[in-house]
Amino acid sequence: DIVLTQAPLSVSVTPGESASISCRSSKSLLSSKGITSLYWYLQRPGKSPQLLIYQMSNLASGVPDRFSSSGSETDFTLKISKVETEDVGVYYCGHRLEYPFTFGSGTKLEIK
Amino acid sequence: QVKLLQSGAELVKPGASVKLSCKTSGFTFSTSYMSWLKQVPGPSIEWIGWIYAGDGGTNYNQKFKGKATLTVDKSSSTAYMDLSSLTSEDAAVYFCASPGYYGPFDYWGQGVMVTVSS
Repeated sequence: DIVLTQAPLSVSVTPGESASISCRSSKSLLSSKGITSLYWYLQRPGKSPQLLIYQMSNLASGVPDRFSSSGSETDFTLKISKVETEDVGVYYCGHRLEYPFTFGSGTKLEIK
Repeated sequence: QVKLLQSGAELVKPGASVKLSCKTSGFTFSTSYMSWLKQVPGPSIEWIGWIYAGDGGTNYNQKFKGKATLTVDKSSSTAYMDLSSLTSEDAAVYFCASPGYYGPFDYWGQGVMVTVSS
């Protein structure tokens, strides 16, 4: 199985500042079709996960452009610019390159 | 508008089975791959498997083979997951999820907590 390792486990951010979350894959997530199969999700407290980013760097509909993602075939970074209180929750990276689909263990974002 | 409505919380005895449901609307269920996922405190999310509503074909995470059985009822656009021989390791929140334009988990149900206790 592909292992996704996230860091840090938690991050505390002052509103208006930026935050970065790392996700490292045990295997290249570049598919044979040239698509990088890396997704980012946010799970707000008490809610279901919601999709933020698809195919490594594309924002899902309705996601503020304060969110951005980039990376290589195995190392990825989610950046949140000008953090707001609504950004609080646990961020997960995930892939769909092959079975089984797996997720990182999550990074908790808190507001200072 | 896509909606996934899951059944309510379950309290089950060790060794028993439980059937969870996920009623959908707002998309073409009969051509969708419905996934189920498990979340335990930690936190972590595990993909259990998916079922193609069109023909009932399934793909399970090896870890959950023999534990989970996925079925669908196309007439009511509902997906089901049976969990058998429950132990404390099965206590978790279970989500159903459906694909969309972006990927396999574009839409999520609200989750259902399964508690295993005598």
